Amino acid sequence: AQTVTQSQPEMSVQEAETVTLSCTYDTSESDYYLFWYKQPPSRQMILVIRQEAYKQQNATENRFSVNFQKAAKSFSLKISDSQLGDAAMYFCAYRSRYNTQGGSEKLVFGKGTKLTVNP
Amino acid sequence: ETGVTQTPRHLVMGMTNKKSLKCEQHLGHNAMYWYKQSAKKPLELMFVYNFKEQTENNSVPSRFSPECPNSSHLFLHLHTLQPEDSALYLCASSQVPVVGTEAFFGQGTRLTVV
Repeated sequence: AQTVTQSQPEMSVQEAETVTLSCTYDTSESDYYLFWYKQPPSRQMILVIRQEAYKQQNATENRFSVNFQKAAKSFSLKISDSQLGDAAMYFCAYRSRYNTQGGSEKLVFGKGTKLTVNP
Repeated sequence: ETGVTQTPRHLVMGMTNKKSLKCEQHLGHNAMYWYKQSAKKPLELMFVYNFKEQTENNSVPSRFSPECPNSSHLFLHLHTLQPEDSALYLCASSQVPVVGTEAFFGQGTRLTVV
């Protein structure tokens, strides 16, 4: 079974600075997807960024980028120019590319990192 | 209308009560999910419905009973719950078997069992 580990329960960053959130995972599969989700106080989980394991290029979405190290099974999220609205819980998640349950999407989540942005 | 809507947002129930959580998605997706989010623990997948058929029951106690009458609606019927069932219950939907699409989540129902 796959596992996802986020070793930083809490992180803080000054507004406009850069912060990196860590995520490691364990899998025997070679093809999969990795995600970062954001959960603000409104509680709705929002997709921040997606990485496909077969792509070597790191994904980027505006101020958000990842450092995907497949051999090390590491998937960190970098937030540049942090804004007050970035304050939230951030969850790293794993999904197999090929699922056994008729193609349904099962996400395996880490415990999350609470990010505080200081003005 | 937001993509995935959950009602109620908050629910307090006694251990002998029967209540239901509702989820509705307006995204045209064909798969729906229930997740449980407890403090200090990762999100736990509870149930998966694919084309209205239950394809996953992740060893969930029978006091939780899902129902999926159509691909847009998902219910979680609750009865004789325990205090340790207090948690945030999240509903999600996605389009399968298109590979690579993310799951869209609702805002959750905060359940407190007293």
